[in-house]
Amino acid sequence: QSALTQPPSASGSPGQSVTISCTGTSSDVGAYNYVSWYRQHPGKAPKLIIYEVTKRPSGVPDRFSGSKSGNTASLTVSGLQAEDEADYFCTSYAGSNSWVFGGGTKLTVL
Amino acid sequence: QLQLQESGPGLVKPSETLSLTCTVSGGSISNNIYSWGWIRQPPGKGLEWIGSVYYSGNTYYNPSLKSRVSISGDTSKNQFSLKLSSVTAADTSVYYCARLPLVGSIYTFDIWGQGTMVTVSS
Repeated sequence: QSALTQPPSASGSPGQSVTISCTGTSSDVGAYNYVSWYRQHPGKAPKLIIYEVTKRPSGVPDRFSGSKSGNTASLTVSGLQAEDEADYFCTSYAGSNSWVFGGGTKLTVL
Repeated sequence: QLQLQESGPGLVKPSETLSLTCTVSGGSISNNIYSWGWIRQPPGKGLEWIGSVYYSGNTYYNPSLKSRVSISGDTSKNQFSLKLSSVTAADTSVYYCARLPLVGSIYTFDIWGQGTMVTVSS
């Protein structure tokens, strides 16, 4: 069970769009539509922003969207705002009641 | 409003056992539509799933930690606990407890505690 692979960093200017990838294997991301994304501000707990690949919990703006192709899931943040500067983590169900997380991507709003 | 709160020693000596408790308020851990998990995050690094306990008492662990981990629930106190034995400096992390719904559409860790920092050092 290896960690999902995310780019260590991403950046964009206010108003722009940024996409963060999350690459797993055919045993996790590729096998199940249970990919989630979290946003984490420094010193805070992760907050769920996307679940089941594309769905947003109540209260999460539609600037956040998710997708998946094969073993790679992606999170797109549109209309970047200063508050979007944070760490973003993906996770996937990996079968047998187990879960695997990504290493995280630090998003900088320029 | 469901809330989770981690508690336990902030400093553990190498080779000893790390013990943490997650107290759940605003909901019951014996509700059979949820499981309860532990996740950790080493300083400046990514998240790692440690394991989960279900209402049935069944537990599931990260294979990389399975030999050292034990998770259990105490319905009388509405708490669930983590024990990690033979700790080393590599176990220094912020430890989070979280809820995972088993029915409905949100099949992921949806509510998290604020986290507690545990340092392994002599």
